[in-house]
Amino acid sequence: NFMLTQPHSVSESPGKTVTISCTRNGGSIASNYVQWYQQRPGSSPTTVIYEDYQRPSGVPDRFSGSIDTSSNSASLTISGLQTEDEADYYCQSYDTSVVFGGGTRLTVL
Amino acid sequence: EVQLVESGGGVVRPGGSLRLSCAASGFTFDDYGMTWVRQAPGKGLEWVSGINWNGGSTGYGDSVKGRFTISRDNAKNSLYLQMNSLRAEDTALYYCARGVTAYYNGGRFDYWGQGALVTVSS
Repeated sequence: NFMLTQPHSVSESPGKTVTISCTRNGGSIASNYVQWYQQRPGSSPTTVIYEDYQRPSGVPDRFSGSIDTSSNSASLTISGLQTEDEADYYCQSYDTSVVFGGGTRLTVL
Repeated sequence: EVQLVESGGGVVRPGGSLRLSCAASGFTFDDYGMTWVRQAPGKGLEWVSGINWNGGSTGYGDSVKGRFTISRDNAKNSLYLQMNSLRAEDTALYYCARGVTAYYNGGRFDYWGQGALVTVSS
């Protein structure tokens, strides 16, 4: 099995750009797709990025995803930050099982 | 409209058992793998268990292996999680989620229920 490690928290000002990393420990980040979920307080998670960089319909193009095989990590980048982006973000991937990262709390100051 | 509605949560003593159910509607249930994900109070998401479209393959997280059993009844459009030998650390909100393929480990989860709260306490 493998683990996905995320920073515990990040913060940035409205209008700025923030990047959240997700590092895979065990196996290649490119082996299986990475998804990103947003979870606001009191709500169920929703997908903001799937299959490394795809955006579901309805998700603003301010959200983008990528993977970097040199650092064996995936990244979620949110540009033009808005206060409504303040939430917890989780990366997720899979092999024979399913793995979630520990989550990153984004604060938009 | 896709809907997933969990039920069966409650308070149970350590060592006890509980069975969660997830009623699915708005899609062809037996086309999809299903999964249970939990979230302890103030903590992150943890994958608990998954099951393929026909129940022929299942998977479990290390923390619940040997204690929890996932199953499904495609005729009733329902997913279940039998939880035995419950511990205080199993206290969490349990979400039912739909995969995007016929396999529980085939990608993302596109629909989630609102969760069922399980509290393990003496």
